Parts: sequence; C-alpha cells; structure tokens
Amino acid sequence: DTGVSQDPRHKITKRGQNVTFRCDPISEHNRLYWYRQTLGQGPEFLTYFQNEAQLEKSRLLSDRFSAERPKGSFSTLEIQRTEQGDSAMYLCASSSPTSGISTDTQYFGPGTRLTVL
Amino acid sequence: AQSVSQHNHHVILSEAASLELGCNYSYGGTVNLFWYVQYPGQHLQLLLKYFSGDPLVKGIKGFEAEFIKSKFSFNLRKPSVQWSDTAEYFCAVNAPGSARQLTFGSGTQLTVLP
Repeated sequence: DTGVSQDPRHKITKRGQNVTFRCDPISEHNRLYWYRQTLGQGPEFLTYFQNEAQLEKSRLLSDRFSAERPKGSFSTLEIQRTEQGDSAMYLCASSSPTSGISTDTQYFGPGTRLTVL
Repeated sequence: AQSVSQHNHHVILSEAASLELGCNYSYGGTVNLFWYVQYPGQHLQLLLKYFSGDPLVKGIKGFEAEFIKSKFSFNLRKPSVQWSDTAEYFCAVNAPGSARQLTFGSGTQLTVLP
C-alpha cells in the first residue's frame, strides 16, 4: 500500500490557461474524492467517484472544472480558463467501504498546489 | 446541510500540558466523526474516527476524542502534548449512507513549545 499519490505537486500557471491534475488512489479503493483547500480553511468537497461513475458534484465545481475516472482507477481534474481565485491546494482522497458499515475512511494524498498568476 | 465549527484557530502550549480542541457540528441525523492531523509539510492523516458504539474513541499517538451527542461535540484531547504534536488539526463529519463527502472545520493550529 503506497498511499494516494498526486501529480504534479506544484503547478504555476497564467490566468486563462488550462491545467490538469492526476490522482492515483490506493489500489483497490473504489471510491475517490477531490477536495480544494485554501489558506486558513479546511478542505472543501468538490466531487466523488465510485468506480468510474461520478456520483456527486459540489456547487463549487463550476463548469470550468471537469473530473474523470475513466477506468475506475486513477482520476484527473481539469480546470479550464484558470482564474486567480482557483489558486488553492487540490486534494485527492480514496476509500473502500468497510464491510458491514455504511461508511468508510478517506485517505488523503499530498495534494497539488496550484498558483494562478 | 452539515457544518463543523472549530472555535480555536491557534493554540499554543508548553510540552507536557494537556490539550483539548473543540469541535461542534451541525447536523440533525446520525453522523460519523473524524479528526485529521496535518504535520508541517505532510499530508492529512487520520488521527481517529467515531462511527458508533463507545463515545470515547482512542486514536494514534495518545489522542482521544469524546462524542457527546447532546452537545453535538467531538472534542479532541491529549493528556500531555509533545513538541512533535505541533500541527494543524481538522475535525470532519459525514453522514453515513447518504452524502459521502466529508465536511471539515477550518482547523486549529497547535504549536507546542519545547
């Protein structure tokens, strides 16, 4: 178990450019989550996948944001036409349902820090 | 909608002092509760969690938390802190069986002075 990995760890881009982040969950975890964290705040939920299906999206996820998990393994988060307000840490988490319990524990990756100039 | 409040934004303690970090949540139904910790330069790690059963849960590194349903609280405690406990602590909640996402508080930065 190598943990959740994210790539890149840091991304600096100019306003208006598109960026894409990748998340590799813990192997065999079927649930994958994206969060956004800004300075001085806790993470805020963006979206959630179960296998390849995107089951929930936050209203924070504007139409410039799109996430995919094509084969139910890794996921990508794309931000189109970036704005300075998109500068944040983008966190990925994964989980697998614990047998007999209708919830599970999310394990977080190191995050991708996005800076939009 | 769920919400989580962590009223202490920054706590400074000397080594060996006792710690209690407050966490209150707003949600009318059954909840699952978590404390995560983020050490400097590291990613979020799970400290402890409560799903059901004994409201006093023990986590890693000597931390514990008590779920008090009547007060909608899940305070984190440690009897004697160490310099290595310096970190940011986040309380989080989700509702089982429905929304999967965690709702986090804004975090408490703990600084332990040697």
